[in-house]
Amino acid sequence: AQTVTQSQPEMSVQEAETVTLSCTYDTSESDYYLFWYKQPPSRQMILVIRQEAYKQQNATENRFSVNFQKAAKSFSLKISDSQLGDAAMYFCAYRSTLIQGAQKLVFGQGTRLTINP
Amino acid sequence: EAQVTQNPRYLITVTGKKLTVTCSQNMNHEYMSWYRQDPGLGLRQIYYSMNVEVTDKGDVPEGYKVSRKEKRNFPLILESPSPNQTSLYFCASSLWGGLGYNEQFFGPGTRLTVL
Repeated sequence: AQTVTQSQPEMSVQEAETVTLSCTYDTSESDYYLFWYKQPPSRQMILVIRQEAYKQQNATENRFSVNFQKAAKSFSLKISDSQLGDAAMYFCAYRSTLIQGAQKLVFGQGTRLTINP
Repeated sequence: EAQVTQNPRYLITVTGKKLTVTCSQNMNHEYMSWYRQDPGLGLRQIYYSMNVEVTDKGDVPEGYKVSRKEKRNFPLILESPSPNQTSLYFCASSLWGGLGYNEQFFGPGTRLTVL
């Protein structure tokens, strides 16, 4: 079974600076999707960014970018120019492409990000 | 507005009192799923449904039941709730449940406390 590990329960960063959240995963599959979700205090789950494993190019969405290292099974999220609205719990998630019920998301434990003004 | 709705948003109940958390989507999605979120564990899938009358267990199905009689609705049933089911519950849906990417949409969450 696939597992996702986020080893940083909490992180903090000064407003306008850059922060990187770490995520590692374990799988024997070669094709899959990886995601970062943001959960603000409202508890809503918001998709931040998506990466397809077959794509070598790292995904980017405005101030959010990933560093996808397939061989190392690492998928970190970089937030540039941090803003107060970025404060939230961030979840890394894995999705298989090969199995029945392939829409199942396997989540990491979460990293709580605090932005200091 | 395209959305996934859950009711109730907050619920405090007592051990053994049957309860149902409703989930409804207005996007004609085939796939629906329930997750629970616990501190230090992230979200874990409870049950999922590929389509009407097709449901299957996720990773943590014990103590829960589901049904999918209509495409839009996917209620989560706790027939005899216990304190270890105190959690934050999310319903999610996507266009289809098979291979290929399509975005999963999450409901707003239901905070359940079982005393």
